[in-house]
Amino acid sequence: DSGVTQTPKHLITATGQRVTLRCSPRSGDLSVYWYQQSLDQGLQFLIQYYNGEERAKGNILERFSAQQFPDLHSELNLSSLELGDSALYFCASSVVASGRFDTQYFGPGTRLTVL
Amino acid sequence: AQKVTQAQTEISVVEKEDVTLDCVYETRDTTYYLFWYKQPPSGELVFLIRRNSFDEQNEISGRYSWNFQKSTSSFNFTITASQVVDSAVYFCALSGTGFQKLVFGTGTRLLVSP
Repeated sequence: DSGVTQTPKHLITATGQRVTLRCSPRSGDLSVYWYQQSLDQGLQFLIQYYNGEERAKGNILERFSAQQFPDLHSELNLSSLELGDSALYFCASSVVASGRFDTQYFGPGTRLTVL
Repeated sequence: AQKVTQAQTEISVVEKEDVTLDCVYETRDTTYYLFWYKQPPSGELVFLIRRNSFDEQNEISGRYSWNFQKSTSSFNFTITASQVVDSAVYFCALSGTGFQKLVFGTGTRLLVSP
């Protein structure tokens, strides 16, 4: 158990819908990262937050957005869902944002299926 | 740009065999970090090891060992006396110091049969 929690574990929805994925980082970790794992794209970095502020963006679609709340949990919002958004979404956390690197520990993931 | 290549898509071994997973990376950063993560059939990503670019000392941890060679940009992972529980997808990943995103390879699926 990494200490990172993600809910829900599974999510099945229809095209055009909007969903919210939730992540709670390890105790003491200030950085939260979101990654997408799909069959065609592999594991890709989406976005990073540090202590409530966005720090870095990767290959994140405009239909997707995220935020980190004062209690440090994070939510990833996916809207206007398409079939191709079906994937395993991971959240990871670490202590720092940059400069001094720290290992990222991953949550169990949320498997999203868009029908 | 950073890139990680895991040329082995799938490896099948019989229990107790030794197996080496290859990882080759590309980066322009002078300081960087390399990782191995394991993804068992249950789906979670489990951290195995991290190496810094300025530390080429190789490491052995139980049945696992890692061989980091900057001269060939490789960070290979060996499992000695493999077990069925080692069956998983193994990912090599790279990060620089600019910001912390991990760049993953495509993974190597290891199948260990009894």
